[in-house]
Amino acid sequence: GQNIDQPTEMTATEGAIVQINCTYQTSGFNGLFWYQQHAGEAPTFLSYNVLDGLEEKGRFSSFLSRSKGYSYLLLKELQMKDSASYLCAVMDSNYQLIWGAGTKLIIKP
Amino acid sequence: ETGVTQTPRHLVMGMTNKKSLKCEQHLGHNAMYWYKQSAKKPLELMFVYNFKEQTENNSVPSRFSPECPNSSHLFLHLHTLQPEDSALYLCASSQDLAENTEAFFGQGTRLTVV
Repeated sequence: GQNIDQPTEMTATEGAIVQINCTYQTSGFNGLFWYQQHAGEAPTFLSYNVLDGLEEKGRFSSFLSRSKGYSYLLLKELQMKDSASYLCAVMDSNYQLIWGAGTKLIIKP
Repeated sequence: ETGVTQTPRHLVMGMTNKKSLKCEQHLGHNAMYWYKQSAKKPLELMFVYNFKEQTENNSVPSRFSPECPNSSHLFLHLHTLQPEDSALYLCASSQDLAENTEAFFGQGTRLTVV
């Protein structure tokens, strides 16, 4: 079966760095997405990786290792507004997105 | 504002009611989706439409009935729902079904079945 695993909840301090991991087992691979979802709001796109390596976008970076079925989202200089759920999703061979359950990130002052 | 609008934002319905959820996008996208989001569970893909044609129906019970009259609008018709159907229903759209295609989500309809 297809499976995406990510931690349920993480806590970090304002100004610090946090890494949210995602491991996957899917039927085929056409890229991995990270989305951010604030409570009561729509998920919004953060990043897309299809090749191995690091993609940097401001304070957020996303890493992919296809051989290990592994990705992480790195958030630097954490701000209170970064408190949200972070969703990992893999596009399988049928171009369907397979979603993880999300990681709730709590930022403390 | 993501360009995808869902109405209503909240809905409470009895198990014998019939209601419809509406989704609208004016992003010029060709693909539209219905997802169910339950607490602490992965997003569940329910239906996919591409160029107004349904391409996926992931074993969704018949009490959920989608309708896509044109590429900008998507409906989810609900009838004789069960309490376990209470969840956040999210609509999304994307340019197409190819890789590297970002999905844009609406804010969802919070459905409570009583």
